[in-house]
Amino acid sequence: GQNIDQPTEMTATEGAIVQINCTYQTSGFNGLFWYQQHAGEAPTFLSYNVLDGLEEKGRFSSFLSRSKGYSYLLLKELQMKDSASYLCAVRGITGRRALTFGSGTRLQVQP
Amino acid sequence: SQTIHQWPATLVQPVGSPLSLECTVEGTSNPNLYWYRQAAGRGLQLLFYSVGIGQISSEVPQNLSASRPQDRQFILSSKKLLLSDSGFYLCAEAVGSSHEQFFGPGTRLTVL
Repeated sequence: GQNIDQPTEMTATEGAIVQINCTYQTSGFNGLFWYQQHAGEAPTFLSYNVLDGLEEKGRFSSFLSRSKGYSYLLLKELQMKDSASYLCAVRGITGRRALTFGSGTRLQVQP
Repeated sequence: SQTIHQWPATLVQPVGSPLSLECTVEGTSNPNLYWYRQAAGRGLQLLFYSVGIGQISSEVPQNLSASRPQDRQFILSSKKLLLSDSGFYLCAEAVGSSHEQFFGPGTRLTVL
C-alpha cells in the first residue's frame, strides 16, 4: 500500500518563499507529482520527480529524496493567486499509471 | 493539447436515485482513463481506471460502476445513490512523457 503525509494548512506572506513538505511510504515507487488545486476547481499538474534532486520550473521547484521517502515543493516570490491547495501524489509500479494522493496542503498567501 | 469534457458540472440527487456521469476526451487514441472522487476536505481517491473499450478495473468496493462504451467515453454510474457518494468526481487521462494525470473540470455531486 501507499501512505502520503503533508501538512494540512500553511500561511505565508506575499513575496516570500514557502516550502511544502511531503513524506510517503510505498511498496513500489515510479514517480512523485505535485498538483495545484484552487477551490472548486480540478487539480492542475505542477511538477514530476522520479530521480533524486531538484526540478525547477519558474517560481516553483520540487525536490525528491527516494531513500528518505521525502519531497518538497518550493514556491518563490509568492503571489496572492498562489493561494490554493497543493497535492502530493505518488505513482506505484503497477501498469495502471494511476496516482495515490495525499490530502493536500491548503496554502493561504497574505498581503 | 488535451481536452476533457465532463457533465453535468453540478448535480443534486436524492438518496436511492440513479446516477450517470459522463466524461469524453479529445485528441489521443486509446487513452488510459480514470475516475477519481474527492470528498470534502480529503484527498483524491481512485475509483476506476480503463485501458481500453470495455476494460474496467475497480479500485475500491462500492455501489458505483463504470463503463467505457467508446474509445474516448468513460461513464460513471450508480443504481442507488448513498449519502456517502457526495463529492467532487474527476475524470482524468494519463498524458505526457511522465504520464501525469490530466483532469477534466469535474462534477460536484450532492446526495440529499
